[in-house]
Amino acid sequence: DAGVTQSPTHLIKTRGQQVTLRCSPKSGHDTVSWYQQALGQGPQFIFQYYEEEERQRGNFPDRFSGHQFPNYSSELNVNALLLGDSALYLCASSYDRGYEQYFGPGTRLTVT
Amino acid sequence: QQPVQSPQAVILREGEDAVINCSSSKALYSVHWYRQKHGEAPVFLMILLKGGEQKGHEKISASFNEKKQQSSLYLTASQLSYSGTYFCGTDDGQNFVFGPGTRLSVLP
Repeated sequence: DAGVTQSPTHLIKTRGQQVTLRCSPKSGHDTVSWYQQALGQGPQFIFQYYEEEERQRGNFPDRFSGHQFPNYSSELNVNALLLGDSALYLCASSYDRGYEQYFGPGTRLTVT
Repeated sequence: QQPVQSPQAVILREGEDAVINCSSSKALYSVHWYRQKHGEAPVFLMILLKGGEQKGHEKISASFNEKKQQSSLYLTASQLSYSGTYFCGTDDGQNFVFGPGTRLSVLP
């Protein structure tokens, strides 16, 4: 049983560009959450998707948007990249709220 | 609002016990505990739900005081593999927020 997968593993972008990160949840999971983790800090909640809709959102600007597809996979889009967006982006899946989250290996985004 | 974790860091000898605390100023739906090793993704340890339900690994125990919105993670007879950063995550129904983490080092 494949766990949570994310692509790409690493990404380098230039300030002002746009980026799309992808996540496939663990089999049987219908809820996907995205987190941003800066070096030495805890993961910061970006948003959560359930049934193709954004259910919860953390304190992130509208430059951060997402989408969930009918197969429960998800994308995170970040527009107008800033240097401060450089971080590890983690995707986690779960079976609805109230259940444990399984994290993917993350995508390391570097903005230059 | 980010939960508060204590202590910030702890060093143990193999076989010793430790307690990590997490508190929130908001009424919580659930508390989650995760461990993250350097360069790896967080790994689920325990979830404690409002109403008393708990799910987690057999060797991990935790408590959730709903009146005080406080949770504690109990690590007994620590092993070298317990080293890492422990995060609590709190869900108040509106937001899910991770704490700043507790760095645990287990020495032989």
